[in-house]
Formats: sequence, C-alpha cells, structure tokens
Amino acid sequence: GQQLNQSPQSMFIQEGEDVSMNCTSSSIFNTWLWYKQDPGEGPVLLIALYKAGELTSNGRLTAQFGITRKDSFLNISASIPSDVGIYFCAGQLDNFGNEKLTFGTGTRLTIIP
Amino acid sequence: EAQVTQNPRYLITVTGKKLTVTCSQNMNHEYMSWYRQDPGLGLRQIYYSMNVEVTDKGDVPEGYKVSRKEKRNFPLILESPSPNQTSLYFCASRRSGQTYGYTFGSGTRLTVV
Repeated sequence: GQQLNQSPQSMFIQEGEDVSMNCTSSSIFNTWLWYKQDPGEGPVLLIALYKAGELTSNGRLTAQFGITRKDSFLNISASIPSDVGIYFCAGQLDNFGNEKLTFGTGTRLTIIP
Repeated sequence: EAQVTQNPRYLITVTGKKLTVTCSQNMNHEYMSWYRQDPGLGLRQIYYSMNVEVTDKGDVPEGYKVSRKEKRNFPLILESPSPNQTSLYFCASRRSGQTYGYTFGSGTRLTVV
C-alpha cells in the first residue's frame, strides 16, 4: 500500500518555540487528517481538512491542505510540555464508500528542558 | 464514557497458537478499523468494516481475519500467528459521514515468539 512521508522524523525544541512539520504523498488525497499520540495511548484526532487550500486552526495548532492535494502542513505555536508526543498525518482518497486511511510515519516531538 | 475498548492490553504467545484480540465500542459507530503500528512505519490499516457483516481489506491484511456480527464488536483473529506479527495493534471506530474523527483504543501490544 502507499505511504505518506512525514518530515522531520523527530524534533528537539525548547518550550515556547514554534514547530512546523509536513507530510507529502506521491498520490492525491481528498481528505487530510492530523493525529497526536501520547505514550501508551492511541492516536487522537487534532485537525481534519477536506478542501485543497483549506487552512484550519485548533487552538495553537494550524494545519493546511496543500493546493496540489499531495501534501499537508501542521504548525504548533508557542510549544508547551504537553505537546510532546508523536504526530501523524493521514490521508484518504475517497470521501465516501472507501475507508482506506493511509498514515504517515510520524514526527516525534521532544521538548528540551 | 464514550470509548473503544481493546483486550488484552499485552499478550505474549507462541508461533501458531490461534488468538483473538477483542474490540468493542459504545458509541454506536458504523465504521470500525484495525491498525498495526511498527517503528518507522507508522500505522498501517489491516481491515476495516463499514457496518455489520461488511468488511474489507486494508493495506496489510495477510495473516489476519476479522468479523463484524454485531455493531459494537470487531474482533481481530490471528489463526496462526508468526513472529512478524509482533506489533502494537489499535482498534478504532467512527460515525459514518464526513467527519473522519476516528476514536482509537489504547492498543494491544502483541509479542509472538
């Protein structure tokens, strides 16, 4: 199956810094999702994007659906300790009738004291 | 509390011994899905179900079976487990419609020796 490439694989930042990560695909997706996984838990949905060019915010998080439909970006502003975790992008081809959801390889965020 | 419950959380088994990982959701969700998470590979979809008695393969279905006899339950069956099925498994569910807010369980860590 296809896979999404996320970068960077890991990030080490200081509290208060802004964070940017992205996800790229060789194929077009109609829906992009961003999830966060805390240690020992399942992923939790952060933001869902349904239209090319769409920019959506959720508190300090902002995500964009790339205009080519082959990429998406997630920004976190003014990072805090609870932002630590693994961030996954996920893409879906069809809006209806197809539940194949492809996840990226993840970006691990660590905050340095 | 709305949740997806997986059991067991941890399982060590031997090659070839059939096992079932149970998944139950109390949100009356139509869609359910199984994923496996491996280092460097992110989450990969094994099987999904769009409703009772409706299941389909994801990206990595080999060696797995599923059934959806009731709306709330979606067990994952490994008829003859092998060491390459050692992984962290997640069950997830969501309501049908455009909002792709999958709710994930807490995971089952399976080791096959």
